[in-house]
Amino acid sequence: QKEVEQDPGPLSVPEGAIVSLNCTYSNSAFQYFMWYRQYSRKGPELLMYTYSSGNKEDGRFTAQVDKSSKYISLFIRDSQPSDSATYLCALYKAAGNKLTFGGGTRVLVKP
Amino acid sequence: DAGVTQSPTHLIKTRGQQVTLRCSPKSGHDTVSWYQQALGQGPQFIFQYYEEEERQRGNFPDRFSGHQFPNYSSELNVNALLLGDSALYLCASSPPGLNQPQHFGDGTRLSIL
Repeated sequence: QKEVEQDPGPLSVPEGAIVSLNCTYSNSAFQYFMWYRQYSRKGPELLMYTYSSGNKEDGRFTAQVDKSSKYISLFIRDSQPSDSATYLCALYKAAGNKLTFGGGTRVLVKP
Repeated sequence: DAGVTQSPTHLIKTRGQQVTLRCSPKSGHDTVSWYQQALGQGPQFIFQYYEEEERQRGNFPDRFSGHQFPNYSSELNVNALLLGDSALYLCASSPPGLNQPQHFGDGTRLSIL
């Protein structure tokens, strides 16, 4: 069993819809949570970074963490075709040095 | 402010050869991590360098080695290349302190024939 599970998609939505992405993890040692966006032939770009349970907003993006359920989510409001990319969740253990990634979810926003 | 830069962008090698990939971290960052990303998968941690020493290593064989220079730049070396080493190799840098967010370069795409 992988430490971090993420639905590979693809997830196809119409422009303007809300995109809902999630990851589950098995080890409660994970304490810090990140979401990255990766366009084709590019490196991952950091979108959100959080460590508390609850919600964190940044523009059209909301990251949600539920440590009791070991479940994290990313919501993208008013989705645009430029949001079409692969979204990766990445987790740190406390005082850790390496990121553990999910497999990524491919998102396609159709005009 | 330049982000993380990696070179070369693409490399083609044959089995058994050796390769060196290079990374310059973002300004103000002192820690460099290397990841391998196979097609359609998430990145896998190779190792991390801090103060010119390997601080942590993932589940990769000794054929994978690295180095960090006094200016914080880093190299990843892979010996005795195998077909399975074909992947995107990503470098990430982070500022001082633990659990800092890591910022990635665009990677080096390595193809093994």
